[in-house]
Amino acid sequence: GAVVSQHPSWVICKSGTSVKIECRSLDFQATTMFWYRQFPKQSLMLMATSNEGSKATYEQGVEKDKFLINHASLTLSTLTVTSAHPEDSSFYICSASRGVEAFFGQGTRLTVV
Amino acid sequence: KNQVEQSPQSLIILEGKNCTLQCNYTVSPFSNLRWYKQDTGRGPVSLTIMTFSENTKSNGRYTATLDADTKQSSLHITASQLSDSASYICVVKGPFNKFYFGSGTKLNVKP
Repeated sequence: GAVVSQHPSWVICKSGTSVKIECRSLDFQATTMFWYRQFPKQSLMLMATSNEGSKATYEQGVEKDKFLINHASLTLSTLTVTSAHPEDSSFYICSASRGVEAFFGQGTRLTVV
Repeated sequence: KNQVEQSPQSLIILEGKNCTLQCNYTVSPFSNLRWYKQDTGRGPVSLTIMTFSENTKSNGRYTATLDADTKQSSLHITASQLSDSASYICVVKGPFNKFYFGSGTKLNVKP
């Protein structure tokens, strides 16, 4: 089956630094990828839709300058959390669609200290 | 407003017992409905996907039902195992290829 790989699976960074998370579709091309954030005991919240070769579409309330998304190829999208703060600590998950199916990455646990 | 609501919020059952999770949605137009299993600290893994015309779909011990008229879906787990302990999320694909997530049901299977 289709696989979406996310890296790293966890990261700890200092407040004020930037962190990049990668999302790769391993055996299919994804023109669209999605980035979600999940706080403890809550559902996934869509942050943005990443479109290959064009600008990402951000959901209301998500700062585009803080959460930089790059979708430079059909198999790779990156999310960069810039100037991270402790309140950015969360579980970040990407997904990619192939046909009617949606596949999720393993998630990245970000802890900002 | 497009919404997906799941119940119960949490559930504790004994190993070997059956259980049923509910999902009600108001998403329109509706494209498909999926059930995912999410282990703690992991990304969701697909269990079933159902389109408008499908009423029932099984995947091993998991059986999903869909009533598109009443906009309700259920996920039935048979002969539960300890490894079934996880969050189960109902996701509905609506207009503009947007996914709407339920808040999930946290299932705890005890020995």
